[in-house]
Amino acid sequence: DAKTTQPNSMESNEEEPVHLPCNHSTISGTDYIHWYRQLPSQGPEYVIHGLTSNVNNRMASLAIAEDRKSSTLILHRATLRDAAVYYCILSGANSKLTFGKGITLSVRP
Amino acid sequence: GAGVSQSPSNKVTEKGKDVELRCDPISGHTALYWYRQSLGQGLEFLIYFQGNSAPDKSGLPSDRFSAERTGGSVSTLTIQRTQQEDSAVYLCASSLLRTSEQFFGPGTRLTVL
Repeated sequence: DAKTTQPNSMESNEEEPVHLPCNHSTISGTDYIHWYRQLPSQGPEYVIHGLTSNVNNRMASLAIAEDRKSSTLILHRATLRDAAVYYCILSGANSKLTFGKGITLSVRP
Repeated sequence: GAGVSQSPSNKVTEKGKDVELRCDPISGHTALYWYRQSLGQGLEFLIYFQGNSAPDKSGLPSDRFSAERTGGSVSTLTIQRTQQEDSAVYLCASSLLRTSEQFFGPGTRLTVL
């Protein structure tokens, strides 16, 4: 399975935008890019996913590089409830998700 | 509608005992996944069921672990002769289609003494 690389942690201020980067240089043409997040003491929660084009939903935006070797999850206005571990995952033909350690986002009030 | 449910929410057992963990997926979801998460770690894939196809068991850590999915709905993960290193949160997820988003249950916290 192709792997992703994320920073260990990031801090943000409340009400400000947050850009969470992810590198996936070995991505294959059929891999989808998924983002999930896990709040403390809860199971993971789907955030967004995409293949080639940028995607927007009510939670976030996903910006995918033209060569697909990297992507960025964008939270437009961070809230305290957005503090979580965010996982960037590639999903291939079998849709099995391989979770890494993710990036821990802290939000300062 | 109801989400993915798992039972029990907590299970404490003694080393060497067998345990069964249950997952009720969202009705109509054809795909079901089991993961586990050890303290402070990311999720580890265990097994995946898709419709009537043979399950993908590639993530099961040993032959003490097995899972079945009856009638394409409820799934049971069985761990035989539990060891202390089996202590973790076991998470179940389901998805409507193989390629769609996965919905996770709240997990079962297993503690092996």
